Amino acid sequence: GAVVSQHPSRVICKSGTSVKIECRSLDFQATTMFWYRQFPKQSLMLMATSNEGSKATYEQGVEKDKFLINHASLTLSTLTVTSAHPEDSSFYICSAPRGGAGLYEQYFGPGTRLTVT
Amino acid sequence: GQQVMQIPQYQHVQEGEDFTTYCNSSTTLSNIQWYKQRPGGHPVFLIQLVKSGEVKKQKRLTFQFGEAKKNSSLHITATQTTDVGTYFCAGVQGAQKLVFGQGTRLTINP
Repeated sequence: GAVVSQHPSRVICKSGTSVKIECRSLDFQATTMFWYRQFPKQSLMLMATSNEGSKATYEQGVEKDKFLINHASLTLSTLTVTSAHPEDSSFYICSAPRGGAGLYEQYFGPGTRLTVT
Repeated sequence: GQQVMQIPQYQHVQEGEDFTTYCNSSTTLSNIQWYKQRPGGHPVFLIQLVKSGEVKKQKRLTFQFGEAKKNSSLHITATQTTDVGTYFCAGVQGAQKLVFGQGTRLTINP
């Protein structure tokens, strides 16, 4: 079946540094990918829509200069958390839709747990 | 914007009991999807409902979409320990964008 990978699975960084998270669709092409943030025991909050070959679309309240998204190819989207602070610590998950005929099942990556010290 | 409310937030049952989670949208949905997230895992697609009044079954799981396409439910018959996890409904906005409900966390006493 379709698989989406994410790297790294866990990262610990110091406050003020930047962290890059990769999301790859392994056996299908994705012109669109989505980035979510999930706090413990809470729902998934959509941060942005990553569009291949064009600018990402950010949800209200998400700082585009802090969460840089690059969708350079049909199988890779990256999220860079710039100048990370402890409040950015969270579980970041990407997803890629795949389907046709009106069904776009979302395939989620395994997530990246970011801890900022 | 579109809001999707899901209740209950938590549900603890004895193994073998039934379980139901409910989802309500502030707007009419074109379709709705359901996902399951195991503890420590990522969401996994369960099903999509499209038609008004639609009912779909997957073994012990029954999914319903309301007549007005603003509410949905997931019912599990005779829960098993493998059913543990958080169940999310998600309204589809536009072609592919999902708006998730808060999720219902199911725990089971064996």
